[in-house]
Amino acid sequence: EVQLLESGGGLVQPGGSLRLSCAASGFTFRNYAMSWVRQAPGKGLEWVSLISGSGGGTYYAGSVRGRFTISRDNSRNTLYLQMNSLRAEDTAVYFCAKLIDATVTGDWGQGTLVTVSS
Amino acid sequence: QPVLTQSSSASASLGSSVKLTCTLSSGHSNYIIAWHQQQPGKAPRYLMKLEGSGSYNKGSGVPDRFSGSSSGADRYLTISNLQFEDEADYYCETWDSNTRVFGGGAKLTVL
Repeated sequence: EVQLLESGGGLVQPGGSLRLSCAASGFTFRNYAMSWVRQAPGKGLEWVSLISGSGGGTYYAGSVRGRFTISRDNSRNTLYLQMNSLRAEDTAVYFCAKLIDATVTGDWGQGTLVTVSS
Repeated sequence: QPVLTQSSSASASLGSSVKLTCTLSSGHSNYIIAWHQQQPGKAPRYLMKLEGSGSYNKGSGVPDRFSGSSSGADRYLTISNLQFEDEADYYCETWDSNTRVFGGGAKLTVL
């Protein structure tokens, strides 16, 4: 059974940084592209970033490019999202997601809440 | 980059059927999409991957009451024999190169 467990969310001031982690199990982690998707309070889903299985390819939504960095440690089966220069509009639940053959999302984590506020 | 358009809400009675629509933008009518369900307070759940031909592959444990179909740029999710637990937000998703796109979501109310 695929399990994706996010951690690292919390309250941070505008301009601050936070690193999210996603511990994966139940599948061969290195074989799958992974992504982060967020959901602001009361809003819909927004794709944030994607990383290839090897980690050699990384891609970002325009709203976070230059501020967020996605990475992975295939030896630890863990996905990361480093978030810098955080803004109030980054407040959201952040979901870790496993892609089906590098196409659409096939599995979701339970999410971790990030609140950016002074 | 494709755009996915969904009606914001739908409602149907317990035990009836409902058909939700996700429309692909011009020039992207042959794209494959996925449907996801998000029950209140929960994480999204993958339902199925749906091709332009109407062929679909459902996720593990998704009830037979959920089915997909396609017509042109429209992708449909049909839920038969509606249950109260089907009351949720439903999102479609597609991709283009290394970008992922979600529709705005449709809130389904079961009366």
